[in-house]
Amino acid sequence: ELKVEQNPLFLSMQEGKNYTIYCNYSTTSDRLYWYRQDPGKSLESLFVLLSNGAVKQEGRLMASLDTKARLSTLHITAAVHDLSATYFCAGNPSGTYKYIFGTGTRLKVLA
Amino acid sequence: GAVVSQHPSRVICKSGTSVKIECRSLDFQATTMFWYRQFPKQSLMLMATSNEGSKATYEQGVEKDKFLINHASLTLSTLTVTSAHPEDSSFYICSLPGLAGPDTQYFGPGTRLTVL
Repeated sequence: ELKVEQNPLFLSMQEGKNYTIYCNYSTTSDRLYWYRQDPGKSLESLFVLLSNGAVKQEGRLMASLDTKARLSTLHITAAVHDLSATYFCAGNPSGTYKYIFGTGTRLKVLA
Repeated sequence: GAVVSQHPSRVICKSGTSVKIECRSLDFQATTMFWYRQFPKQSLMLMATSNEGSKATYEQGVEKDKFLINHASLTLSTLTVTSAHPEDSSFYICSLPGLAGPDTQYFGPGTRLTVL
């Protein structure tokens, strides 16, 4: 059974700083996904990582996937206040279309 | 535009009543939809897979008699919370996979249920 964990659970950082959110998963996952959620809202897709070594970047966010280590990272570069949100990674158990979400990381960027 | 809609967006009900939440696919037919529950400040937990024309598949620990799922058409799945109690208060989100496979997943806007 696929389990997905993230750390840290909470992250408070100053604007302009860099930080990394880690996502570990327990068994084989065909893919790894990153989502953003603003308070009271549904999910916004950020990245889809399809294979070992995949790296994707969008603005100040960069995601990577290491399937051998069962680890994905979401790196934040020069954080800005608008990045404050909760970030979830999710795995996809082999042979299914369902997602198993990580515990989430609540990010607060301080001005 | 939106691919998935949910109705209602918010609902408040009294303890002991039943509440129905609708999830509609707006752009294409969906044989499979997923229902998630999210308690405040927690992650999304998959409740069940809704299958058009057959019984839903529930995740371990989810009471199928309490959370009734009906996927009667290719564009509509409903989740009925029966005999709701305050501990059922949560954010319920449906999703459906895109036509090309699991990599594209469309999430609904969510339904906030508050049980008094």
